[in-house]
Amino acid sequence: DAGVTQSPTHLIKTRGQQVTLRCSPKSGHDTVSWYQQALGQGPQFIFQYYEEEERQRGNFPDRFSGHQFPNYSSELNVNALLLGDSALYLCASSLGGLANKYFGPGTRLTVL
Amino acid sequence: GESVGLHLPTLSVQEGDNSIINCAYSNSASDYFIWYKQESGKGPQFIIDIRSNMDKRQGQRVTVLLNKTVKHLSLQIAATQPGDSAVYFCAEKGETSGSRLTFGEGTQLTVNP
Repeated sequence: DAGVTQSPTHLIKTRGQQVTLRCSPKSGHDTVSWYQQALGQGPQFIFQYYEEEERQRGNFPDRFSGHQFPNYSSELNVNALLLGDSALYLCASSLGGLANKYFGPGTRLTVL
Repeated sequence: GESVGLHLPTLSVQEGDNSIINCAYSNSASDYFIWYKQESGKGPQFIIDIRSNMDKRQGQRVTVLLNKTVKHLSLQIAATQPGDSAVYFCAEKGETSGSRLTFGEGTQLTVNP
């Protein structure tokens, strides 16, 4: 039973560029949430996708956008990257909009 | 604003001792709580959860206690092992938060052999 998977594991970008991160939920799950974790901090909720729609959003600017596909996988897009976007980006999944208990390994994004 | 925080940023214990990690929360509408373990460079690993209608829940070597009166949550780890060394986060979900979790800043647990 595959858990939550994310790709890529690491990514280096420069300021102003755009990035796309990918997530496949745990088998049987249909809800995906994205979190940003800065170094030494707890994860911060970005948004949640359920039934291919953004259902909830945290306090993040419109530069952060996402998408959920019919197979429940999801993408996180960040435009016009800033140095402060450097962080570990985590994906979590659940079933039917319940609390996301299970997290993936994360994608480490470094913006230079 | 609402927040979840931890009392101590670091905790150092001897192997075999019991560890207690504490967490305070401010949202009285929180109805679900989770403890996570996060090792360096990895995603948070689910340890144990508890709903607000419970005071205590036990797992393998771990116990979570919830005191809603003072909005306090604790994680007890019995017979702590070196492999337990990690950062521990508590997270809470409000009644109307959907699946959104609010995390504290974490406690670094170090187990000395």
